[in-house]
Amino acid sequence: GQQVMQIPQYQHVQEGEDFTTYCNSSTTLSNIQWYKQRPGGHPVFLIQLVKSGEVKKQKRLTFQFGEAKKNSSLHITATQTTDVGTYFCAGGPSGGYQKVTFGTGTKLQVIP
Amino acid sequence: EPEVTQTPSHQVTQMGQEVILRCVPISNHLYFYWYRQILGQKVEFLVSFYNNEISEKSEIFDDQFSVERPDGSNFTLKIRSTKLEDSAMYFCATYSPTGTNYGYTFGSGTRLTVV
Repeated sequence: GQQVMQIPQYQHVQEGEDFTTYCNSSTTLSNIQWYKQRPGGHPVFLIQLVKSGEVKKQKRLTFQFGEAKKNSSLHITATQTTDVGTYFCAGGPSGGYQKVTFGTGTKLQVIP
Repeated sequence: EPEVTQTPSHQVTQMGQEVILRCVPISNHLYFYWYRQILGQKVEFLVSFYNNEISEKSEIFDDQFSVERPDGSNFTLKIRSTKLEDSAMYFCATYSPTGTNYGYTFGSGTRLTVV
């Protein structure tokens, strides 16, 4: 079945440093979604990318979808303590309503 | 902002007992899902539900699991005879392809502890 891996598994950064998590799928994706899960919380949708090579920005967050639509990345510039949590990518094989397969997640800890 | 509501927030049950987890989806959403997350691990797909029937299910969703929408509003997940390995956080999620938010909206989850 489809597998979605993320690296790194954990990342500790000093506040103000940048952070990047990488997502790789074993199969070509129709779309990629990104979620943030705060400690003890539930996944919260951040963004969806659909087009090959697409780049989207949300304030300090930059999301990219690879040309082959098998990988993606999330980059956070100048991390803040509010960025703490686990970031999951989630790949959709086709259609918007079918299940997405979550990646293994990257847990971000920001040291003040 | 519309929310997905899940009850109970925490359920402790003895092995072999039946549990029912409840979800109230966002009112105009048509696609419903159950996911689970074992502590510290990734979010795993269990089942998707559309038009009052299961549209897809994972290998985890065996005969011990069932879903239904008994009254047109609540969406339930039943585990008939719980096992220790069913201990996890269970999330309900809903989706609407007509909205501007293209992602899934997750509920706050039910923490199931099987003892």
